[in-house]
Amino acid sequence: NFMLTQPHSVSESPGKTVTISCTRSSGSIASNYVQWYQQRPGSAPTTVIYEDNRRPSGVPDRFSGSIDSSSNSASLTISGLKTEDEADYFCQSYESSNVVFGGGTKLSVL
Amino acid sequence: VRLFDSGGDLVQPGGSLTLSCAASGFTFHSFAMSWVRQAPGKGLEWVSTISGSTGTTYYADSVKGRFTISRGNTKNTLYLQMNSLRAEDTAIYYCAKALGVAAIATRIDYWGQGTLVTVSS
Repeated sequence: NFMLTQPHSVSESPGKTVTISCTRSSGSIASNYVQWYQQRPGSAPTTVIYEDNRRPSGVPDRFSGSIDSSSNSASLTISGLKTEDEADYFCQSYESSNVVFGGGTKLSVL
Repeated sequence: VRLFDSGGDLVQPGGSLTLSCAASGFTFHSFAMSWVRQAPGKGLEWVSTISGSTGTTYYADSVKGRFTISRGNTKNTLYLQMNSLRAEDTAIYYCAKALGVAAIATRIDYWGQGTLVTVSS
């Protein structure tokens, strides 16, 4: 089994751009798709990125995903930050039937 | 797509509980479904996934042998039967719709609102 490691917290100002990383401990990040979920306080998670870089309908194009094989990591980038983006963000991937979530990153927009 | 979780309750250690998730807005039997839980103040933890049509199931090691996932494709409902409950099973349980029909390569696109399970004496 592998692990996905995320920074515990990040902060940035409104209007700026922030990137949240998700590093896979073993096996190639490119071998299995990475998803990103947003969870606002007191709410259920919602999907903001699936299959590395695809956005569900309704998710603004300020949200983008990418993978970097050299660092074996995935990234979620949010541009033009808004206060409503303040939330916990979780990455997720899998290996066959095993599903793995990252520990989550708390994004503060201040 | 709508997913409505229900069935959460306060239960004693060693007890049992069944969660339900009523699904609508998509062809239920064409997609795998999962349960994901979140302990108070903690991150997300995958619990189990069931395929769309064949009924193939997979479980996290932490619940294997105690929990059973199932689905009623005619009722568009997902279930989670939980036995031998422990304090560490206390969490909000979310049902989630997967992007594909197979129970492997789980990628979630929709989530339920969650239902709280508390295991305590």
